[in-house]
Amino acid sequence: DQQVKQNSPSLSVQEGRISILNCDYTNSMFDYFLWYKKYPAEGPTFLISISSIKDKNEDGRFTVFLNKSAKHLSLHIVPSQPGDSAVYFCAASAAEGGSEKLVFGKGTKLTVNP
Amino acid sequence: NAGVTQTPKFQVLKTGQSMTLQCAQDMNHNSMYWYRQDPGMGLRLIYYSASEGTTDKGEVPNGYNVSRLNKREFSLRLESAAPSQTSVYFCASSVPGQPNTEAFFGQGTRLTVV
Repeated sequence: DQQVKQNSPSLSVQEGRISILNCDYTNSMFDYFLWYKKYPAEGPTFLISISSIKDKNEDGRFTVFLNKSAKHLSLHIVPSQPGDSAVYFCAASAAEGGSEKLVFGKGTKLTVNP
Repeated sequence: NAGVTQTPKFQVLKTGQSMTLQCAQDMNHNSMYWYRQDPGMGLRLIYYSASEGTTDKGEVPNGYNVSRLNKREFSLRLESAAPSQTSVYFCASSVPGQPNTEAFFGQGTRLTVV
C-alpha cells in the first residue's frame, strides 16, 4: 500500500511558466513533508519542506502548499527554468522511535523546455 | 565538505556472490538509511539506523543485512546476490528531531546482478 503517491510520472512545461507537481498521502501520522530533486547519476538533494502545522512555505521560486484535510501537497515552481528539469520526489515523515523515516513517492519527471 | 560518501559507485555481481556496500558520513548525524531506487518505484527504504548500535527494517529488507559500525559508518551487505537486487542504492543520513529533518544522500551505487 503506497503511503505517498505522485500520480503524474512526467510533466512538461515551457520556460518561464509555472510548474505544479502534486503529491497525495494516506498516513495521517505524517507530520513533515519534503521535496527532493534528483538529476541523473546523482543522489537526491533536498529542495524544500513544510511542517504539518503550516499550509505554505516559500523559498525563492519554490513554494510548497499543504492541504491537510485533503492529504495533499503541491510544489510550485515559478518561473520554471531549463535547469529545473529533473525528477522530483515527494517525501513524508513521522517521528517513530526517535528516528524520522522518510517515505518517498515514485517521483515526477519535470522537463522545462526552452 | 564530503557529506555522505558511498563506495563503490558501480558494481557487477554474479548471482550468488556476496558484497558489502559502504557508506560514511562526516556530518555527525545520528540517523542513517539505505534506500534502493528502481525504475517507476521511487525510493524504497531497506534498513535504517536511528543511532549507533541500533538498526531496524524498512519496507524491503529481505536479502539484505546491515551494520552500524560506528556513528559515521553504515554498511549494507548482500549475502547471496539475486538479479532482483539489481538497482541503484542510496545511503542517507539525517539529524532526527530537528525542525528541518531533511536527509542528505550519497551519490549512489549502481549494482547489476547477472
